Amino acid sequence: DTGVSQDPRHKITKRGQNVTFRCDPISEHNRLYWYRQTLGQGPEFLTYFQNEAQLEKSRLLSDRFSAERPKGSFSTLEIQRTEQGDSAMYLCASSLASYRARGLANHEQYFGPGTRLTVT
Amino acid sequence: GDSVTQMEGPVTLSEEAFLTINCTYTATGYPSLFWYVQYPGEGLQLLLKATKADDKGSNKGFEATYRKETTSFHLEKGSVQVSDSAVYFCALSKGLDGSARQLTFGSGTQLTVLP
Repeated sequence: DTGVSQDPRHKITKRGQNVTFRCDPISEHNRLYWYRQTLGQGPEFLTYFQNEAQLEKSRLLSDRFSAERPKGSFSTLEIQRTEQGDSAMYLCASSLASYRARGLANHEQYFGPGTRLTVT
Repeated sequence: GDSVTQMEGPVTLSEEAFLTINCTYTATGYPSLFWYVQYPGEGLQLLLKATKADDKGSNKGFEATYRKETTSFHLEKGSVQVSDSAVYFCALSKGLDGSARQLTFGSGTQLTVLP
């Protein structure tokens, strides 16, 4: 299977602990996105990378959150000093942005299965 | 800011019934519009998309038309099947296809189709 993979699929942690999630995008994709989805809501954008550069961050991404994509391949999302309000599904997506005659074209985002975080 | 509003669910239909899930959006410029589907236990999958006004996206019997005058992108299917039971999300991305970045999602509509 060459889709987007995320690890772990489930994480239970105690309030105040740090957690780190990993996302492996589709191999030829140069863009990688993180979203957060709470129960009964649609996903909300957190941040995205083009190759290893983090190009945009949402205001939802507090200073306890940090994301990296060190070699432009996999990415990690770390949450420090977790709070109960951090409990959510964390989704990763990837896409291919390529230059065409008309300019930059960004293709479909493919989503991973998500990491469900529960903070007790 | 940009936003997407979907009809509230859950929606329960009998097999072969007609489906409409309403979606309206607020955005400046020319967003691209999408419908994503999330089957139980699976990740989000793109169902269909439209990148400019009056475009019709279609896939697996589902259709949606980009209506700029009413800022809508309603999802329709003429005859639903039990296998269509899932959560459906309407979404937009800002700008033309070439500048699309993050997606802005609606809150989702749970569809259950009964045999």
